[in-house]
Amino acid sequence: GAVVSQHPSWVICKSGTSVKIECRSLDFQATTMFWYRQFPKQSLMLMATSNEGSKATYEQGVEKDKFLINHASLTLSTLTVTSAHPEDSSFYICSARYQQISNQPQHFGDGTRLSIL
Amino acid sequence: SQQGEEDPQALSIQEGENATMNCSYKTSINNLQWYRQNSGRGLVHLILIRSNEREKHSGRLRVTLDTSKKSSSLLITASRAADTASYFCATLRDNFNKFYFGSGTKLNVKP
Repeated sequence: GAVVSQHPSWVICKSGTSVKIECRSLDFQATTMFWYRQFPKQSLMLMATSNEGSKATYEQGVEKDKFLINHASLTLSTLTVTSAHPEDSSFYICSARYQQISNQPQHFGDGTRLSIL
Repeated sequence: SQQGEEDPQALSIQEGENATMNCSYKTSINNLQWYRQNSGRGLVHLILIRSNEREKHSGRLRVTLDTSKKSSSLLITASRAADTASYFCATLRDNFNKFYFGSGTKLNVKP
């Protein structure tokens, strides 16, 4: 069964709306979660690394004020797309890792398809 | 991509044939993982190989890793139509704090 739950799976909203996406680890505590963005027929681009209890580390070119990340607990990280515009439409995917162990795979949510009208 | 290139970008084969995908990366790594993604869906973990390993098998999957060349390959033997998907390699590095994906290979297995 799924070990990472991502919600919602699909969002359609008007331009200017802020959208929050949740990523939950279901049966383990995730010290680190990653947020990705994927455009059609392209690979996943890492947006930011989220560590529980500290500020997220953003990749170069990702606007911190646009994509707010909160990792308030060991089982929940949220990504808020603020004042979303059509160019923010994309597929957003989170992943979580159990502890800092090198032989553990990343677990991924099923993704959120965001469409801004 | 943030990590490096995969080739081929697209691969079309007949059911029963083997499929080989290659991945290159840019910096030193802790481990390399292969994932599968069906169209518009989340990712499924296939196999993980650590930086001190050279080859690993899992069912019909065989992964090799050459850290001197910063490259890896994924071999799917006796392919099935159900193997049709996009395949991505991803590397964990920077003291476990970065996980980057390659550009991906779109595999089409014709029945």
